[in-house]
Amino acid sequence: ETGVTQTPRHLVMGMTNKKSLKCEQHLGHNAMYWYKQSAKKPLELMFVYNFKEQTENNSVPSRFSPECPNSSHLFLHLHTLQPEDSALYLCASSQPGTGSYEQYFGPGTRLTVT
Amino acid sequence: AQSVTQLDSQVPVFEEAPVELRCNYSSSVSVYLFWYVQYPNQGLQLLLKYLSGSTLVKGINGFEAEFNKSQTSFHLRKPSVHISDTAEYFCAVRYSNTGNQFYFGTGTSLTVIP
Repeated sequence: ETGVTQTPRHLVMGMTNKKSLKCEQHLGHNAMYWYKQSAKKPLELMFVYNFKEQTENNSVPSRFSPECPNSSHLFLHLHTLQPEDSALYLCASSQPGTGSYEQYFGPGTRLTVT
Repeated sequence: AQSVTQLDSQVPVFEEAPVELRCNYSSSVSVYLFWYVQYPNQGLQLLLKYLSGSTLVKGINGFEAEFNKSQTSFHLRKPSVHISDTAEYFCAVRYSNTGNQFYFGTGTSLTVIP
């Protein structure tokens, strides 16, 4: 595996379900991100982890719970979601302090809440 | 507040014609600028970036962009498009005073017409 991988690629869940999204990066980076992508809206940054520590939480509802057990893995735990949470969830990684700055994205998980 | 504007939500263009996708940003500090492309059912892929130096930057797939500090713009251009360039294009800005955070535009959907 290379780059940033995400599983599952598609997920349909009811409003009372609990599920988790997984992201893994194989780039040796130390920063990881969760974004929400909805149609016709800018990408919304949800969470940022630097060296496994959460450094950003952009007013995300508590029904979204991130977890970063190590610098290669990032999870997004979901519970009691709403239909408006249906979107593409993108994971990204970058290497702080190297001067290159760009973020590398995974293919995303298409989430549908019914 | 920091913001990134992509004025054109949809751009249709004939094959082998030139194209320009516009991006403007708000700024009172130094910026790092990026263009990403997103093909259907995929994540974002970096096309090119401006960090410093020459204001004309070249990227993959024949794309280039020019940084214009006075007009706070970073327009993307390609002299001759192909069918395979049909995709969504996102401009992103990283401000020097906002850490790792990227600000994305709403995207421009480029459709190349045979």
